[in-house]
Amino acid sequence: AQSVAQPEDQVNVAEGNPLTVKCTYSVSGNPYLFWYVQYPNRGLQFLLKYITGDNLVKGSYGFEAEFNKSQTSFHLKKPSALVSDSALYFCAFRAGNNRKLIWGLGTSLAVNP
Amino acid sequence: SQTIHQWPATLVQPVGSPLSLECTVEGTSNPNLYWYRQAAGRGLQLLFYSVGIGQISSEVPQNLSASRPQDRQFILSSKKLLLSDSGFYLCAWSLGASGVEETQYFGPGTRLLVL
Repeated sequence: AQSVAQPEDQVNVAEGNPLTVKCTYSVSGNPYLFWYVQYPNRGLQFLLKYITGDNLVKGSYGFEAEFNKSQTSFHLKKPSALVSDSALYFCAFRAGNNRKLIWGLGTSLAVNP
Repeated sequence: SQTIHQWPATLVQPVGSPLSLECTVEGTSNPNLYWYRQAAGRGLQLLFYSVGIGQISSEVPQNLSASRPQDRQFILSSKKLLLSDSGFYLCAWSLGASGVEETQYFGPGTRLLVL
C-alpha cells in the first residue's frame, strides 16, 4: 500500500541551529513529493516539491529538501532555524497520474530562542 | 495572481442544524478544487474533489456533500450536522490538467464547532 510517514511527532531545535524534519514514503513507481507548512489556525502553505531532476530541491523561506530514492526519503532541511519557523509541517506525495495526494500526519517543529 | 477565499472563518452550530461552507478562487479558470477536513490539528482527510462544474468525487461516505455550481466556486454542505463534523475545513485548488506537477494551494480554512 502506498503511504508516507513522518516518524517524529515533534522536533525541537535551538534558534540558529540546523533543522531536519523527516519524511519517508512507500510507493510503487516514481513519487512526486511535496512539503507544506501550517501556522496555527491557518491554511497550509506550499514550501517545495520534487518532480524530477536534481535531488536537492530549494523552496520558500530558506527551506530545502533532498530526494533519496534508495532510502525512499524526502527530508526537509534548513541550515539555520528561526523562531518564526515554529509550525506544523506536512509531507505529501502523489504517485503516477493520481490526482490525490497522500499525506503524512505532520511534524510539529518548535524553535527555541 | 491567484487567490482563494473561504468563509466563514469560524462557525459554531448546534447538532442537527444545516451547514454551508463556501470556497471561491480568483485569477484562474477551470481549477481542480478540493475539500479537506483536519481533525485535532493534525492529519488531513480528503473529503471531495472536483475537476469541473457539476463534477464531484466523494472520498469518504459521510454526512457531508459538495457542489460546484460555478467554475470557481465550491460549496460544502450538510443537512444535519453531527458532533463528529467538528473540525477545521480546508479548501484547496490546483491548475486543471497540470499533470504530475500539480500543486495544491490552500485557503485560510473554516473552523467548525458543532455543539
